[in-house]
Amino acid sequence: EPEVTQTPSHQVTQMGQEVILRCVPISNHLYFYWYRQILGQKVEFLVSFYNNEISEKSEIFDDQFSVERPDGSNFTLKIRSTKLEDSAMYFCASILFGAGEQFFGPGTRLTVL
Amino acid sequence: KNEVEQSPQNLTAQEGEFITINCSYSVGISALHWLQQHPGGGIVSLFMLSSGKKKHGRLIATINIQEKHSSLHITASHPRDSAVYICAVAPSGTYKYIFGTGTRLKVLA
Repeated sequence: EPEVTQTPSHQVTQMGQEVILRCVPISNHLYFYWYRQILGQKVEFLVSFYNNEISEKSEIFDDQFSVERPDGSNFTLKIRSTKLEDSAMYFCASILFGAGEQFFGPGTRLTVL
Repeated sequence: KNEVEQSPQNLTAQEGEFITINCSYSVGISALHWLQQHPGGGIVSLFMLSSGKKKHGRLIATINIQEKHSSLHITASHPRDSAVYICAVAPSGTYKYIFGTGTRLKVLA
């Protein structure tokens, strides 16, 4: 069964460093999402991506964040200069079409020291 | 005020009990999702609803668009159903999702 994969599973970084979180969505899906979940809190929408551009982004998704689909298979989330409050689990998800079922990746746990 | 409210926040049941988790939302939506998050953190999609009712095994999900309310029912609950159940809505005309805070379910053997 096709699945969304994410790497790494856990990333530890120093405050101020850049990190890139990687996702491989299901191959024929068209819509891609990044979410984050701070420990003990609810899942929060960061950004949606369709047709090689951002469809929508939340207030959390400021200039420190960027997304890219560099090669037609990977979907990446870059945080330019990490802050302590960026420590969270980051989930990628993909959907075949706009309001379809979401398939989530296993998540990347980001720890900023 | 949260745009997506779930109740109860925590629920403990005995194996075999019928369970209901509720979700109320305040915005017009194009779809509502019920998700299951396991203790390890992984999220699995259970249902996507835009109207009516869906059933999958022991799980049933209903939605009332006019009342802006959805319920997730688990029949004959089992300890392996223990997880956090999350309601997420896609507001009409947007490409984002708003998540509820989740209902933590524990089913005792």
